[in-house]
Amino acid sequence: DTGVSQDPRHKITKRGQNVTFRCDPISEHNRLYWYRQTLGQGPEFLTYFQNEAQLEKSRLLSDRFSAERPKGSFSTLEIQRTEQGDSAMYLCASSLGIRGESYEQYFGPGTRLTVT
Amino acid sequence: DQQVKQNSPSLSVQEGRISILNCDYTNSMFDYFLWYKKYPAEGPTFLISISSIKDKNEDGRFTVFLNKSAKHLSLHIVPSQPGDSAVYFCAASYSTGFQKLVFGTGTRLLVSP
Repeated sequence: DTGVSQDPRHKITKRGQNVTFRCDPISEHNRLYWYRQTLGQGPEFLTYFQNEAQLEKSRLLSDRFSAERPKGSFSTLEIQRTEQGDSAMYLCASSLGIRGESYEQYFGPGTRLTVT
Repeated sequence: DQQVKQNSPSLSVQEGRISILNCDYTNSMFDYFLWYKKYPAEGPTFLISISSIKDKNEDGRFTVFLNKSAKHLSLHIVPSQPGDSAVYFCAASYSTGFQKLVFGTGTRLLVSP
């Protein structure tokens, strides 16, 4: 199965600690997205990469959050100085974006973050 | 500002019957719509999509209908099966640009045998 993978699946951390999540998209997909989902809500967009370039960031992404996609392959999402409000499911998705076409986004299993 | 709304938090249907899940949107610039299914502790799984140039798209037991004038779409599942029990999310996007998805809050479908 060559779907989107995320690591770790679960992370429990203490407030104030830094955490980093990894996402491996479907290999031929050039677009990569991060979303966050909290209880009772749908996923909310955080940031978007076209190949290695981060082209869009949501206002939800505070200065404590940083994302990278070196070489346009896997991506990492780092949260510094975690707060309890950061507790959520962090979802990664990828798609094949070709100008003028709409392609579905395929999601990974997510990383559930709990900040104590 | 909830641009995509799923007003029914839950729906119960008997096996073999039709399930109809509804979704409304407010932004008339959205022109691409998708349905995702989500099981607990898993990421959303893509089900079916529709472009605004169509009013219907069908894939097996799943059909999505789009009413642009009403800014409304619906997902029909016929016949419903117990394995369809999950949370269903409606999402909207733009066919141009980077195509971020805007999700509704989901409808939990329970299909009983």
